[in-house]
Amino acid sequence: QLVLTQSPSASASLGASVKLTCTLSRGHSSYAIAWHQQQPEKGPRYLMKLYSDGSHNKGDGIPDRFSGSSSGTERYLTISNLQSEDEADYYCQTWGTGIVVFGGGTKLTVL
Amino acid sequence: QVQLVESGGGVVQPGRSLRLSCAASGFTFSSYGMNWVRQAPGKGLEWVAVIWYDGSNTYYVDSVKGRFSISRDNSKNTLYLQMNSLRAEDTALYYCAKDDSSGWYTDGFDVWGQGTMVTVSS
Repeated sequence: QLVLTQSPSASASLGASVKLTCTLSRGHSSYAIAWHQQQPEKGPRYLMKLYSDGSHNKGDGIPDRFSGSSSGTERYLTISNLQSEDEADYYCQTWGTGIVVFGGGTKLTVL
Repeated sequence: QVQLVESGGGVVQPGRSLRLSCAASGFTFSSYGMNWVRQAPGKGLEWVAVIWYDGSNTYYVDSVKGRFSISRDNSKNTLYLQMNSLRAEDTALYYCAKDDSSGWYTDGFDVWGQGTMVTVSS
């Protein structure tokens, strides 16, 4: 069964870096994922597509502060030089034949 | 500018129907798969349905199979979601999302709309 697992919350200080994790279910280590950001009271925004080899394609206008990496079934989103506007919910997404799955989301607090 | 604008939400009684629309602009609508995603109040994102770029195939989450129907009119650059036999648990903000795939498969979403709210209540 295709499942994505995310920690419910994370926090880091203004100007620091944070690494969010999305874990694919066993047997799905080759799957690509996408990261999406949802700021308070807004619709989601596509950040990037992240492949199993760590390569990623970012959406238009996404700052260089956002990067992705991969290891086995883990997919990571690293945000450097945290800004107040980075405080948001972050969702990972994956897909298969006739199915799309979202992780439960990580609420990022910028201290 | 790539844009998706949803409409058609509202308050509806349990068991009734509602049709959502999503108007697309700024890209070749007929070349991409399209999806509906919903978000119940205070909850995470839940994928609802996908339709291939040419309308040749559709898939649904189990909880809406047999009640919801996704369709598209490529001549009008518009996506639809027909929702029948609505339940209280269908209450959510409904987003349309463009698929990154121009083939007969899904490849992640790269554009989102702003959402339209559906409230199912007596």
